[in-house]
Parts: sequence; structure tokens; C-alpha cells
Amino acid sequence: QQQVRQSPQSLTVWEGGTTVLTCSYEDSTFNYFPWYQQFPGEGPALLISILSVSDKKEDGRFTTFFNKREKKLSLHIIDSQPGDSATYFCAADNVGDNSKLIWGLGTSLVVNP
Amino acid sequence: GPKVLQIPSHQIIDMGQMVTLNCDPVSNHLYFYWYKQILGQQMEFLVNFYNGKVMEKSKLFKDQFSVERPDGSYFTLKIQPTALEDSAVYFCASSLGGARTEVFFGKGTRLTVV
Repeated sequence: QQQVRQSPQSLTVWEGGTTVLTCSYEDSTFNYFPWYQQFPGEGPALLISILSVSDKKEDGRFTTFFNKREKKLSLHIIDSQPGDSATYFCAADNVGDNSKLIWGLGTSLVVNP
Repeated sequence: GPKVLQIPSHQIIDMGQMVTLNCDPVSNHLYFYWYKQILGQQMEFLVNFYNGKVMEKSKLFKDQFSVERPDGSYFTLKIQPTALEDSAVYFCASSLGGARTEVFFGKGTRLTVV
């Protein structure tokens, strides 16, 4: 059973548009939710993260929203750029002392100029 | 930014042979990880490692798997013997702190078992 569900699987937007990726999770003990960006041939790189005590975090054009009651989170990219074309993963980490990221399947984003 | 280096980038090995995947983590990091990604499937946690010990491992971390980081050297994942289902991309990662801190990933080693 997949603990972290991510949608859509793939997405195409026009340059300048807003991208919205969503994620849901099962385990209520998850309390840290990073979003990773991965370009072909590269490893995942942290884009933005949020703790379960917050409902929103913003970093430039990237904003993540968290809804604890519904066990959902989302990533919004405003003014999407062709350079944003990549695969985006949401992940979740638990309350333990040691990191053990549980990953979604990823969303492949293409931003067309 | 900080880099995690993985060597080699691609390895082809005969089933039943031993393979060692090498990782050079970020220099001041204390926590080390291996993740496995099969093409088209999600990234899966294998193991985390701190202070010279395995702290936690998943059910994917079979008895044939082992990790170590002798002082000042690579963090390694050894598979002995390899099986066909071990074919995947293996990502090494490291972090300065434990849970809820930024984890830095390498580019991965694509392992093909034939």
C-alpha cells in the first residue's frame, strides 16, 4: 500500500502559468514533508519543505501548503519557467530521530515556452 | 551546494557476483543513507547509518546487503550475492542532522544485474 500518493503523474503547463502538484499521505505520525526536484541524470535536490505545525511555506516562486486534517499537501509554482521542467517528488518523514523518507511516485513537469 | 559523489555511475554485474557501490558523502555530514529506485517506481528507503552503525533498515535491505563507512573513507553498499531483482538505481544520501533535516543526494549508481 502506497503511503504517499502524488498527482498528477505528469503535467504540461505554459511558461508564466501556475503549476499545482498535490500529495496525500496515510500515516498521521508523518510530521515533515519535503519536496524534491530531480533533473534527468541528477539526484533529487530539496526544493522546499514544511513541518506539520505549519500550513504554508513560501520560497520565491515556490509555495507549499499543508492540511493536517485532510492529510494533504500541495506545491504551487507561480510564473513557471522552462527551467522548472523536471520531476517533482513529495516525501514524508516520521517523528523518529533518524530520517527515513517515504516518497511519492513523482510528477513529471514540462513547462513549454 | 554540498555534493554527494557516487562511484561508479553505472555498473553491470553477473548474477551471483558481489558488487560494492561507493559513496563520498558531504564532508561534515554525520548521517548516511541508501535509497533504491526501480525504473518507473518510487524511491524506496533502504537503510540509514549513524555513528558507525545501522540505525534503521527496511524490508528491502536483505541479508545479502551490508553497509559500512571505515573512518574517513567511502560509505559503501555491498550486495553479495547479487540477484536479478537488485537491478535498480541506488542513491546515496547524507545529512548533517537526523530526521527533519535536509538530505543531500548523489546522482545515483545504475546497477544492472544480468
